[in-house]
Amino acid sequence: GNSVTQMEGPVTLSEEAFLTINCTYTATGYPSLFWYVQYPGEGLQLLLKATKADDKGSNKGFEATYRKETTSFHLEKGSVQVSDSAVYFCALSEGTGANNLFFGTGTRLTVIP
Amino acid sequence: GAVVSQHPSRVICKSGTSVKIECRSLDFQATTMFWYRQFPKQSLMLMATSNEGSKATYEQGVEKDKFLINHASLTLSTLTVTSAHPEDSSFYICSARERDINNSPLHFGNGTRLTVT
Repeated sequence: GNSVTQMEGPVTLSEEAFLTINCTYTATGYPSLFWYVQYPGEGLQLLLKATKADDKGSNKGFEATYRKETTSFHLEKGSVQVSDSAVYFCALSEGTGANNLFFGTGTRLTVIP
Repeated sequence: GAVVSQHPSRVICKSGTSVKIECRSLDFQATTMFWYRQFPKQSLMLMATSNEGSKATYEQGVEKDKFLINHASLTLSTLTVTSAHPEDSSFYICSARERDINNSPLHFGNGTRLTVT
């Protein structure tokens, strides 16, 4: 079956620190992979995605590379800001349609000045 | 950009009562909306797919008579938790995709925290 496992958190970092949030997946077939972000008081928003192996998704300084050999899609950012404080969800879907998303548990990131 | 409004954001109800959660697409039409649930320290799980003008499709293990879904218009889907029990306490989130736009991203509501006492 399909499932996503991500770093549980919470994660607390100082401003300008390097961020990694680990995400690994189990899937049948060839899934698409996503990172969603939920800022305080808002709905989930798509942060980035990758639809095939070795693709790199990037947005707002965040990056994640679809690694088929390690079934991973780790989220990274070189220098976090206070405004990056949010909950981050890793997710997969079968194919590119992203109708049925399988989510991880979410990782709360707090960035302190 | 596309916005999905979910209401209420928090609700506390007594065991045995019913609670209705609304999900509205504010500036687009959505033939399909999705309802998710997240228990503490667990993943967001898809509960059901809400289809405008037809019956909802429920995921395995989700009781359709307990979680009533109505999608009466292209901008509104409702989830009613009937005869709520404390084990129904959870975080419920809806999402919607813009009508007729292939591979458009899902737009999520802010979620509803339900507590059943």
